[in-house]
Formats: sequence, structure tokens, C-alpha cells
Amino acid sequence: GAVVSQHPSWVICKSGTSVKIECRSLDFQATTMFWYRQFPKQSLMLMATSNEGSKATYEQGVEKDKFLINHASLTLSTLTVTSAHPEDSSFYICSARDYRGNTEAFFGQGTRLTVV
Amino acid sequence: GIQVEQSPPDLILQEGANSTLRCNFSDSVNNLQWFHQNPWGQLINLFYIPSGTKQNGRLSATTVATERYSLLYISSSQTTDSGVYFCAVVTGGGNKLTFGTGTQLKVEL
Repeated sequence: GAVVSQHPSWVICKSGTSVKIECRSLDFQATTMFWYRQFPKQSLMLMATSNEGSKATYEQGVEKDKFLINHASLTLSTLTVTSAHPEDSSFYICSARDYRGNTEAFFGQGTRLTVV
Repeated sequence: GIQVEQSPPDLILQEGANSTLRCNFSDSVNNLQWFHQNPWGQLINLFYIPSGTKQNGRLSATTVATERYSLLYISSSQTTDSGVYFCAVVTGGGNKLTFGTGTQLKVEL
């Protein structure tokens, strides 16, 4: 299967600072990547769709100024959590699908963010 | 939006037992995938199965799209099968995966 790499795996930051998470498709190109958030004991909730070369599409209730997404190339999308607060602490995970069709989606390892 | 419900929410098995996990969805889907989330949070792809039946070792899955459900079968369960199992679907002309509620599986010795 295809490989999606996410970095870092975990990060601890202070309140008020910003954190950047990277998502890379290693062996395929992805015009679209997806960012999910998961709270303990809950399912994955889609936050936004990252589109290469254009603005991201955010799900209802997700603050676009809080969660900045950049998809500058066909293999890299980044999520920046700005002015982080303890309530932003969560598990963030990205997904990508080969641009050539409506095929299987693959996920990164996830990033566990703790804001102190 | 589409509703994706999984059952049972929790399941405890003795090693060697068989089990069936169910995924019901409220609308027609283009794609359906099954995942295993391990204790470290990694999502492992199990099946890409918008319709029909597939088998991979001790696991198999069946999707009956016309009746809006999918089943995941685990045979001869092992402790390493423990974790959360999710189904996820893509609807209509979209490309977003909507995840189900999950089944937490624990396999005991």
C-alpha cells in the first residue's frame, strides 16, 4: 500500500505558541489531503480538506484562522495550530489518496499534541 | 450528512474466538474502508471494499451496498487484534471519508 508520513509523532508546546504538523505522501502524488482530529475514546472527525495550490476547505465549526493549512506541493500538506490552547490538545491525523482516482485512502501515523 | 453506526461498541473475546463487526450507513456510498487503529493511534488499512467480499488471512469483509451495511469477520482472534476497528465511507460525488463510531475490541488470553 501507499505510504503517508506524518511528523512529528508527538509534540508538547506552551499555550500561545504555534505548532506545525507535516503530512507527506512518500510514493504517490496527492492533489487532496485530509486532516482529522480525534479526542480520546472517540471517532475521527474531519477538520479540513487540503487542496494543492488552492485554499483549504474547512468543515463546519472548524476555525480556519486557528488551523492554518498549506498544500504547496503534490506530496506535502501542513497543518499549523496557531496560538495553541490546552483545549487544542488532541490527536491529529492526516490522510491522502492517489490523485489518479477515487481510490483507497492511507493515513499518517498521527500527531499527539499536548498544550501546557 | 451520512450517519455511520458500528456495532457492537465494545467486544471482549477469548483468544481463538471468532467475531463479526457490523457497519451500517444511512445513504448510498461510493467507497468503504475498514481500519484497525492500534494502541499508538496508527490506522492500519484492512480492506477497501465498496461492494462484494474480500479475504485477507484471518480477516474477511463483505459489503452489501444496496442494503447499506458492511461486515468485518475476524477468525481465530489473537491478542494483537485488540484495538479499535473503524469503517469509513465516501458518499455521492464527494471524496471525504466519514468515519463510523468504532468498535473497541479486546482479545484476552
